[in-house]
Amino acid sequence: SQQGEEDPQALSIQEGENATMNCSYKTSINNLQWYRQNSGRGLVHLILIRSNEREKHSGRLRVTLDTSKKSSSLLITASRAADTASYFCATVLIQGAQKLVFGQGTRLTINP
Amino acid sequence: DVKVTQSSRYLVKRTGEKVFLECVQDMDHENMFWYRQDPGLGLRLIYFSYDVKMKEKGDIPEGYSVSREKKERFSLILESASTNQTSMYLCASRALPRETQYFGPGTRLLVL
Repeated sequence: SQQGEEDPQALSIQEGENATMNCSYKTSINNLQWYRQNSGRGLVHLILIRSNEREKHSGRLRVTLDTSKKSSSLLITASRAADTASYFCATVLIQGAQKLVFGQGTRLTINP
Repeated sequence: DVKVTQSSRYLVKRTGEKVFLECVQDMDHENMFWYRQDPGLGLRLIYFSYDVKMKEKGDIPEGYSVSREKKERFSLILESASTNQTSMYLCASRALPRETQYFGPGTRLLVL
């Protein structure tokens, strides 16, 4: 079964608005990572948040983690057309082979 | 900057052909990974390697094999390509367990 599930599957907003994407997971994690993928390209790492952290910032990105609810959110502030991409959360489980388990992603479209 | 390169961006092969997908990383990373990405299914792990000559099956290893003879190179082999192996293949490498993965640009494989 899918460990990480993103919500919404697709999001379309106007440039300048904030975009929020959510990720839920099922089993205990060591950390959670967010990646971005431009159409037809590889994934680029955005931010990693560990299980003992609640919030992390990187530029216009803000990630929160609520381990009690097994959920995370990615907020992109003051969105730009160049932010148009798919965004994936990926979890590293405490147990197991330390591999990343990806959700199916949120397709974000920023309209100019 | 970490650089992960893949031998081809696009590849067209015929059913039954033996296909080699090559991945090279330039940062002396011990861990390397092969994923495939399909619409609606997200990224799924095929094989990974913790070090030279080491390999472990991921979630969908059937129909694939891998080779890691040198630290910087991780090859994915389709022994006899089939149409259901048409997909986007992504390679990644990682310096430390549980940490960020760095992805190549992907190879879009079409099997006719």
